[in-house]
Amino acid sequence: EPEVTQTPSHQVTQMGQEVILRCVPISNHLYFYWYRQILGQKVEFLVSFYNNEISEKSEIFDDQFSVERPDGSNFTLKIRSTKLEDSAMYFCASTKERQETQYFGPGTRLLVL
Amino acid sequence: SQQGEEDPQALSIQEGENATMNCSYKTSINNLQWYRQNSGRGLVHLILIRSNEREKHSGRLRVTLDTSKKSSSLLITASRAADTASYFCATDSSNTGKLIFGQGTTLQVKP
Repeated sequence: EPEVTQTPSHQVTQMGQEVILRCVPISNHLYFYWYRQILGQKVEFLVSFYNNEISEKSEIFDDQFSVERPDGSNFTLKIRSTKLEDSAMYFCASTKERQETQYFGPGTRLLVL
Repeated sequence: SQQGEEDPQALSIQEGENATMNCSYKTSINNLQWYRQNSGRGLVHLILIRSNEREKHSGRLRVTLDTSKKSSSLLITASRAADTASYFCATDSSNTGKLIFGQGTTLQVKP
């Protein structure tokens, strides 16, 4: 069964460094999302992406964040200058159509020191 | 309170018993989705129920939706130790498919 994959599974970085989190959505899906979950807290929406542009973003998704679909398979989240509070599990999700089941990847655990 | 709040926050039952988790939300929705998360792991999709549906089943799972009360429930019948996990409801109220998650219910099933 097709699934969403994410790399790396864990990333440790120094405050102020740039990180790129990678996702490969399910191949025939058209809508892509990033969410994050700070340890012990609920999952929070970051951004939705469709037709090569952001369709909605949350207040968390400020100028330090960007997303890109550089080719036909990858979907990336970049954090330009990481802060301690960016430490979280980041989930990518995809769906074939809006308002359908979103399939989540296994997550990337980001630790900012 | 926020969109998608579950109760109870924690639930501990014996294997074989049924577990019921509830979710309440504030705004009208397109659909409501239930997910399971094992400790520190990814989110596994369980069931999607649309706003015009009242009940759905999948194996030992039964989900109900009451849009007049803006609430949903997830029932796990004949629970197993492997059902031990956190369970989240997530509502889709936007045009973009954005999901708003609740705080979740932590379920412990004792063997």
